[in-house]
Amino acid sequence: EILLTQSPATLSVSPGERATLSCRASQSISSNLAWYQQKPGQAPRLLIYRASTRATGISGRFSGSGSGTEFTLTISSLQSEDFAVYYCQQYNDWPPYTFGQGTKLEIK
Amino acid sequence: EVQLVQSGAEVKKPGESLRISCKASGYSFTNSWITWVRQMPGKGLEWMGRIDPTDSYTNYNPSFQGHVTISVDKSTSTAYLQWNSLMASDTAVYYCARRLTMVQGVLDYWGQGTLVTVSS
Repeated sequence: EILLTQSPATLSVSPGERATLSCRASQSISSNLAWYQQKPGQAPRLLIYRASTRATGISGRFSGSGSGTEFTLTISSLQSEDFAVYYCQQYNDWPPYTFGQGTKLEIK
Repeated sequence: EVQLVQSGAEVKKPGESLRISCKASGYSFTNSWITWVRQMPGKGLEWMGRIDPTDSYTNYNPSFQGHVTISVDKSTSTAYLQWNSLMASDTAVYYCARRLTMVQGVLDYWGQGTLVTVSS
């Protein structure tokens, strides 16, 4: 089973600043990585897939990069609605597809 | 508009059985696999398993294999997640989600979640 490790666990950033979230895979997953955003009491929302492709309707402030074992989600100019928990997920190896443990992005 | 609408919250006792549902609309139900994801209280997301509505072919995460059953009813565009004998550790929110078209393993539309509480 592929383990995804997200860092940091909690990230405190001021509105208007940039946030950089990391996801490391225990073995190469090529570019088969997605990012999701989850707000309290809500279902997750797909942001990015294939490591860098934005999902339909997702703001250009969200960008993804990386391949192999190291991946990054960058959110430029943070807005109030961006503060949430972010999960990475690999879909390179089954079974099972796995999620990272999440990074909580909080207001500084 | 694509929608996945899940059944309401459930409170059950250990050992009881349960089936929760996920009704799809706004797209051709047989075009996309449906996946179930567990989120235990205050925890992260876990991929439980998935089903191809075309022929009911299923894949399970080994961690859930044998404890849950995923099924569909094509006539009503509904997917199901079923337990024959619940345990307290099954207490969680369960989400159904649709596979992104042409990208196996990516989930683009999610249901609102069903909270299952198992307590004696």
